[in-house]
Amino acid sequence: DAGVIQSPRHEVTEMGQEVTLRCKPISGHNSLFWYRQTMMRGLELLIYFNNNVPIDDSGMPEDRFSAKMPNASFSTLKIQPSEPRDSAVYFCASNPGSGNQPQHFGDGTRLSIL
Amino acid sequence: SQQGEEDPQALSIQEGENATMNCSYKTSINNLQWYRQNSGRGLVHLILIRSNEREKHSGRLRVTLDTSKKSSSLLITASRAADTASYFCATDALGKSNFGNEKLTFGTGTRLTIIP
Repeated sequence: DAGVIQSPRHEVTEMGQEVTLRCKPISGHNSLFWYRQTMMRGLELLIYFNNNVPIDDSGMPEDRFSAKMPNASFSTLKIQPSEPRDSAVYFCASNPGSGNQPQHFGDGTRLSIL
Repeated sequence: SQQGEEDPQALSIQEGENATMNCSYKTSINNLQWYRQNSGRGLVHLILIRSNEREKHSGRLRVTLDTSKKSSSLLITASRAADTASYFCATDALGKSNFGNEKLTFGTGTRLTIIP
């Protein structure tokens, strides 16, 4: 079975540019999560969706960050405008959305803002 | 602040030896999980232990949970070179998740190196 698929795997762009990260969750999973991983702050939950509806976005750092889930098989995380301090690895994860089910992670997008 | 703190931060052992990593957390939990992360990859779920369980086994993995001390340990027996990775504990705080296991807080991780 295909796991969580993220694209691109690497992104290098200049500050001020818009960045869009993409995620395809595991089919049948109802919850989708966006995380950010840095050396300084570790793994932080940014936002999560259940049945395509944003449930908790309290981890989104600023208004420059936005996330959407237009359907059950696709989500985006957008940063506009990007800043060097946004450089990190961004992970998407999914789980069935009920019970004590583990989260399944994609391999992440390594984002570098110059 | 971090809910989970792993100890030690880094651990190097010889292949075949046992590796023990510890995790402490601060609040009451529904469950505690351990994940592995290989370099350049996403996290992979290893094992979940519920708050009413004290010990759980899965293959070469043994997890213990002491809710009175708010701590957990992960033991990997007969380590292999392929076990080289970072290991994270994650807690699902009591009363935080609406649907089940979504408001996870990850610890800072233990970087395990197995020397062949």
